[in-house]
Amino acid sequence: EAGVTQSPTHLIKTRGQQATLRCSPISGHTSVYWYQQALGLGLQFLLWYDEGEERNRGNFPPRFSGRQFPNYSSELNVNALELEDSALYLCASSLLGNSGNTIYFGEGSWPTVV
Amino acid sequence: GQNIDQPTEMTATEGAIVQINCTYQTSGFNGLFWYQQHAGEAPTFLSYNVLDGLEEKGRFSSFLSRSKGYSYLLLKELQMKDSASYLCAVFSGGYNKLIFGAGTRLAVHP
Repeated sequence: EAGVTQSPTHLIKTRGQQATLRCSPISGHTSVYWYQQALGLGLQFLLWYDEGEERNRGNFPPRFSGRQFPNYSSELNVNALELEDSALYLCASSLLGNSGNTIYFGEGSWPTVV
Repeated sequence: GQNIDQPTEMTATEGAIVQINCTYQTSGFNGLFWYQQHAGEAPTFLSYNVLDGLEEKGRFSSFLSRSKGYSYLLLKELQMKDSASYLCAVFSGGYNKLIFGAGTRLAVHP
């Protein structure tokens, strides 16, 4: 069974550009989470989607946005990129997001902003 | 508020036992997870506790006390490959999200 897949693995952008990161959840999972992990720091919650709806978002500015598609895959968009946006972005998926089901992570996407 | 605390770093010797503690204060509680994360890699699931008590899985065990807001991860027969960060995470029903602690970096020495 395929796990959570993310793309692209790496990308390089310049300040002010936009980055789009993609995530495909484990088959059957309806909830998708996005986390940011800056180098040497903990995971910071970004967004949670379930059944196509945004259920919660973390303390990030509005230029961080996303969506979930009918097939439960998800996109994270980061507009007006800043240098400090260079970090690991992890997508995770689970069954029924608010019931404590195990959350499985993808391998992450590493945008580098120069 | 929400807060998850765990030690920043720990060191241990190969073959020994180490206990990594986690204390939490969250609004609502729907379970506590432990994840292992090697440098540059994604976190991998280790354990999940929703009821008080000890859950054992091979060399790894996890304990939960909801009344004390406390959990620990116990690693036995340490191996060099166990050198990694260990993340405690609480699923806070009140906030509908999984909140992570900053992680504990464990270094296993020969």
